[in-house]
Amino acid sequence: NAGVMQNPRHLVRRRGQEARLRCSPMKGHSHVYWYRQLPEEGLKFMVYLQKENIIDESGMPKERFSAEFPKEGPSILRIQQVVRGDSAAYFCASSEDIEKLFFGSGTQLSVL
Amino acid sequence: SQQGEEDPQALSIQEGENATMNCSYKTSINNLQWYRQNSGRGLVHLILIRSNEREKHSGRLRVTLDTSKKSSSLLITASRAADTASYFCATRPSSSSNTGKLIFGQGTTLQVKP
Repeated sequence: NAGVMQNPRHLVRRRGQEARLRCSPMKGHSHVYWYRQLPEEGLKFMVYLQKENIIDESGMPKERFSAEFPKEGPSILRIQQVVRGDSAAYFCASSEDIEKLFFGSGTQLSVL
Repeated sequence: SQQGEEDPQALSIQEGENATMNCSYKTSINNLQWYRQNSGRGLVHLILIRSNEREKHSGRLRVTLDTSKKSSSLLITASRAADTASYFCATRPSSSSNTGKLIFGQGTTLQVKP
């Protein structure tokens, strides 16, 4: 049973470009979470999704950020017109029963 | 707002010693969890303690929860160099009981010297 898969592992973008981060949850998991981590800090909640539905996006910036978890395929976190402050590690987690979370290895986004 | 805050921020001990990390939180919770993160990797779940539990054990890990003080501690006994990592507490607020949202603290960086 493969774990949570995130890709790419590293993503470099110039200011103003779009970043697309992908997350395939563990098999059988229907709950997906996105977190952001800045250096030397803990994880900050961004969004919680179930298949085709956004359940809680209270941690998501109102502009430029969006997330989806379609019926088929991975969950996507999309950041439009990236700025330097978006540079961070973005972690995806999945769960079967909203209790214990299983994390992917993260995508390190660097904005030049 | 930050829910969990770990103390100390950094801890350095010798192999074989015990390591104790503390976590404080602000709102009422359903459960509290501890996670471990190796440098550059994702978090790995260690242990979950529910709000009606006071202590829980898992191998060399011992977790306590004091809901009256809104605090928890993680004890790692007989530490090993491989325990070197960052440790985070995460709380599931009662207000988020149906969303699965976890609020993470800033973490404690543990270094175990061989």
